Amino acid sequence: DADVTQTPRNRITKTGKRIMLECSQTKGHDRMYWYRQDPGLGLQLIYYSFDVKDINKGEISDGYSVSRQAQAKFSLSLESAIPNQTALYFCATRGTAGTEAFFGQGTRLTVV
Amino acid sequence: GENVEQHPSTLSVQEGDSAVIKCTYSDSASNYFPWYKQELGKRPQLIIDIRSNVGEKKDQRIAVTLNKTAKHFSLHITETQPEDSAVYFCAAPRGGDNAGNMLTFGGGTRLMVKP
Repeated sequence: DADVTQTPRNRITKTGKRIMLECSQTKGHDRMYWYRQDPGLGLQLIYYSFDVKDINKGEISDGYSVSRQAQAKFSLSLESAIPNQTALYFCATRGTAGTEAFFGQGTRLTVV
Repeated sequence: GENVEQHPSTLSVQEGDSAVIKCTYSDSASNYFPWYKQELGKRPQLIIDIRSNVGEKKDQRIAVTLNKTAKHFSLHITETQPEDSAVYFCAAPRGGDNAGNMLTFGGGTRLMVKP
């Protein structure tokens, strides 16, 4: 299922580096989300966007920023990566209320 | 905001037995409750959802029950099979599932089905 595509799939970066994770979708959804998943833990919301002009902080936005370049594209940036940002990152999209959220394949990020 | 708690964090059952995972939520305005399954190394995918106007929904071996008064909902898997082994997440929308409200996820339950 390539409806929600994340790049890169895996990335190792050094502390202090800037890194961007990209997400694109072909589902035509307005709502896009970035979640973080740590081992053994659930999904924590970093940022979400209702449309290209609307971006909102989630539960754990500190240290992250986002850009909604178009309806289909939502990027997550780590301005200065730190080791405790090592995690699995998921992008998701959603259509109308009460409908399924579709997740990308995930990006495994390691900060050394 | 919405607080979703999920129990147990791990669950081990014998093949053929039933498995039950429970979630509680805090926002009384929540009206949409999905369950996601995440197989090892893969993305979460929706397996079943329920809206607040019904108390139970079934799909083959999977069922979800909702108690709005007590603010909890549960996932029931009957006749478990090894391929049911995965991490399961419940979710609820903050402030009701109106336009744009995002889903808050529970902490996940790792289900292991022993053959």
